[in-house]
Amino acid sequence: QVQLQESGPGLVKPSETLSLTCTVSGGSISTYYWNWVRQPPGKGLEWIAYIDYSGRTNYDPSLRSRVTISVDTSKNQFSLKLSSVSAADTAVYYCARLVGTTDYFDYWGQGTLVTVSS
Amino acid sequence: IQMTQSPSSLSASVGDGVTITCRASQSISTYLNWYQQKPGKAPKLLIFAASSLQGGVPSRFSGSGSGTDFTLTINSLQPEDFATYYCQQSSSSYTFGQGTKLELK
Repeated sequence: QVQLQESGPGLVKPSETLSLTCTVSGGSISTYYWNWVRQPPGKGLEWIAYIDYSGRTNYDPSLRSRVTISVDTSKNQFSLKLSSVSAADTAVYYCARLVGTTDYFDYWGQGTLVTVSS
Repeated sequence: IQMTQSPSSLSASVGDGVTITCRASQSISTYLNWYQQKPGKAPKLLIFAASSLQGGVPSRFSGSGSGTDFTLTINSLQPEDFATYYCQQSSSSYTFGQGTKLELK
């Protein structure tokens, strides 16, 4: 059974960089596409970016200038960095696996709340 | 591509059948998936490619549609079905609908 687990600080100051890591267990990161999706409190879901094992990436255009996604296949992990954060970036951040045939998210982490506040 | 769900909220009773609609701002063929989300939990995949049931999902859930108009139907609602439902397109990048909250009447 594939499991994903997010980790990282729960509080980030405005203008700083948000950093999160997702650890994948129960399966290899060397297949599929690995994603970050966020959900502001009380709101809907927003896709951020994906990466595959080779480092191929795809970003949401509205966040592209602030987002970096990377992968460490030796640790079965992938990471997200979001720079110049503001209160609007406060959200639950999920990592998720994308099946790249008809492109659906089949496994998700439990999510981690990141609050942007001084 | 913008995804619009209707209704935004819905009240129903156990045993009822309900239908949720999702409309895309342009044709997405059948690149449409449905998720269920309960409070404090991650979304759970129900339907992929518009009408394919994900493994382990009860058969009372079904999806249909193509192009711009899609529906999620739940027959004979069970207590565990009261949740928020999201559609998601994967034709061009990935976007979600705003969600439909299904509440117990």
